[in-house]
Amino acid sequence: AQKVTQAQTEISVVEKEDVTLDCVYETRDTTYYLFWYKQPPSGELVFLIRRNSFDEQNEISGRYSWNFQKSTSSFNFTITASQVVDSAVYFCALTLWNQGGKLIFGQGTELSVKP
Amino acid sequence: DAGVIQSPRHEVTEMGQEVTLRCKPISGHNSLFWYRQTMMRGLELLIYFNNNVPIDDSGMPEDRFSAKMPNASFSTLKIQPSEPRDSAVYFCASSPLATGENTEAFFGQGTRLTVV
Repeated sequence: AQKVTQAQTEISVVEKEDVTLDCVYETRDTTYYLFWYKQPPSGELVFLIRRNSFDEQNEISGRYSWNFQKSTSSFNFTITASQVVDSAVYFCALTLWNQGGKLIFGQGTELSVKP
Repeated sequence: DAGVIQSPRHEVTEMGQEVTLRCKPISGHNSLFWYRQTMMRGLELLIYFNNNVPIDDSGMPEDRFSAKMPNASFSTLKIQPSEPRDSAVYFCASSPLATGENTEAFFGQGTRLTVV
């Protein structure tokens, strides 16, 4: 069975601090996809990134960066110089190549960025 | 592109009543998913369709729940009869999924259901 664990339930930082959200996944399959979604206070789920299991290159998009390490089954998300608008719940998710895209979500990490 | 459209955004109903949630996926997307979000269980998949055909409904909690996708542009999730424990946010998502491929799912804004 597959599982996604986000051990940090809540994180609180002050604006401009860097923050890393942890994600650990479990699967025996070799072909899978990992995702991060953001859920702001308004409630919608916003796609941030998708990574396939064969691509361990780290990715940077503006203030966001992702560190994928198969050796530790982790897909961590770092926000550099956090801003108040980053306050949201962030979800890590996993799907297998043959599961039609159905996502297994972690429990989410609520990030609060204070001014 | 209007994105995935769900209606209603909020629904308050009395226990025992029938509730129907609606979803219009993004045009051209051929996979549609219904998820439920609660504090206790987080985000969980209820059912998903591919090319209007239900593929996996193992997440549907019980017979009170049913979902249909009569065409590529519309899906419903029905609860009959509703119970207070059904109170949750229900999300619909779609993706331009083709067989053997994977891509990101785009979510609607959700329907917040409260059963009193």
